[in-house]
Amino acid sequence: GAVVSQHPSRVICKSGTSVKIECRSLDFQATTMFWYRQFPKQSLMLMATSNEGSKATYEQGVEKDKFLINHASLTLSTLTVTSAHPEDSSFYICSARASNSYNEQFFGPGTRLTVL
Amino acid sequence: EDQVTQSPEALRLQEGESSSLNCSYTVSGLRGLFWYRQDPGKGPEFLFTLYSAGEEKEKERLKATLTKKESFLHITAPKPEDSATYLCAVQAGTPRLTFGEGTQLTVNP
Repeated sequence: GAVVSQHPSRVICKSGTSVKIECRSLDFQATTMFWYRQFPKQSLMLMATSNEGSKATYEQGVEKDKFLINHASLTLSTLTVTSAHPEDSSFYICSARASNSYNEQFFGPGTRLTVL
Repeated sequence: EDQVTQSPEALRLQEGESSSLNCSYTVSGLRGLFWYRQDPGKGPEFLFTLYSAGEEKEKERLKATLTKKESFLHITAPKPEDSATYLCAVQAGTPRLTFGEGTQLTVNP
């Protein structure tokens, strides 16, 4: 149980294009999903918290117009990196918290974004 | 502001050589302390949640303990497949997690 998937696992795009990353909870309903970014040799940095049916809450310094988050259902959240630039290249990881749990978060396998 | 500090940054062990990883934290109103394992290029894998001082949890060669200021992840007789980065995170008044920088563990055969 508690499986979270992400798609795609790897994406390479040209500068200026937009990229959408999907995060799905496969065997549980997730009221809350989180999006993290991880640079090489660094820990996870929370970008935003998304609750189903409401607007995402962004961490300080994260541009909400650049990183669009949609949490349309209890099993799906999407992160769209708009007008991507090379500095947006990173490892993006989502996590999901089950509706019946306050604490545990389960992570997806991550998406490696490379912007040329 | 919640703070989590992990030590050492990197640890190299011989197979069978037991050791401990440390996670020191400063948080107002701890709701939970989490240990995750992360392999290169993968998302973190959940290991343990600890809720209160004195609590201990075990899974195979791993044992996690918690005090009011820190948590330890003890690794008994590690194997090469235990090589990974181990992440500690705390949760306080909201569901968001604050992560430490991790300990990169290498177990040599």
